[in-house]
Amino acid sequence: AQKVTQAQTEISVVEKEDVTLDCVYETRDTTYYLFWYKQPPSGELVFLIRRNSFDEQNEISGRYSWNFQKSTSSFNFTITASQVVDSAVYFCALNSQGGSEKLVFGKGTKLTVNP
Amino acid sequence: DSGVTQTPKHLITATGQRVTLRCSPRSGDLSVYWYQQSLDQGLQFLIQYYNGEERAKGNILERFSAQQFPDLHSELNLSSLELGDSALYFCASSVDAGGPGNEQYFGPGTRLTVT
Repeated sequence: AQKVTQAQTEISVVEKEDVTLDCVYETRDTTYYLFWYKQPPSGELVFLIRRNSFDEQNEISGRYSWNFQKSTSSFNFTITASQVVDSAVYFCALNSQGGSEKLVFGKGTKLTVNP
Repeated sequence: DSGVTQTPKHLITATGQRVTLRCSPRSGDLSVYWYQQSLDQGLQFLIQYYNGEERAKGNILERFSAQQFPDLHSELNLSSLELGDSALYFCASSVDAGGPGNEQYFGPGTRLTVT
């Protein structure tokens, strides 16, 4: 069975602080993909990143960075110098070989960035 | 804008009624997925269609059904509605059904309120 756990339900920071959103996943498959999606207050789901199980290199995209560690089954997301526009619910998701193409989502972390 | 369209944006109906949600995938995408986002269950996969055929089923109730038409648009039919069916229903599309890792592009969602 596949499972994604986002232990942080809500996080509140002040603008310009760095913040890390945690994601822990479970799967028995050796081939799997991990995703992060952002859901701003307007409601749509915005794709942020996809990472496959064979690529453990960390990735940086502007103020966003992702730390993938297979040893701890984690795929954490860091926002550097947070901005008010980063306020949203962030979802981590898993898609694995044995689970067809469906995405298994975590419960989400609501990030509030205060000015 | 993901290129996936969903109509209607909002829907308010009474218990016991039946509604149809419509989704048009991105141009060229053959797979359509339906997800339900509710406060208690989070984001859950309902069903996937690929090129007109049902490909995977998730936690979809028997009162719910879906289909994908020859022009690749999809409809999700919800019948005998209950208060607990109130949720945000997302449609997503991807290029094909070639295995895990397909990037899924999400539509803006249809917010269903059952009163």
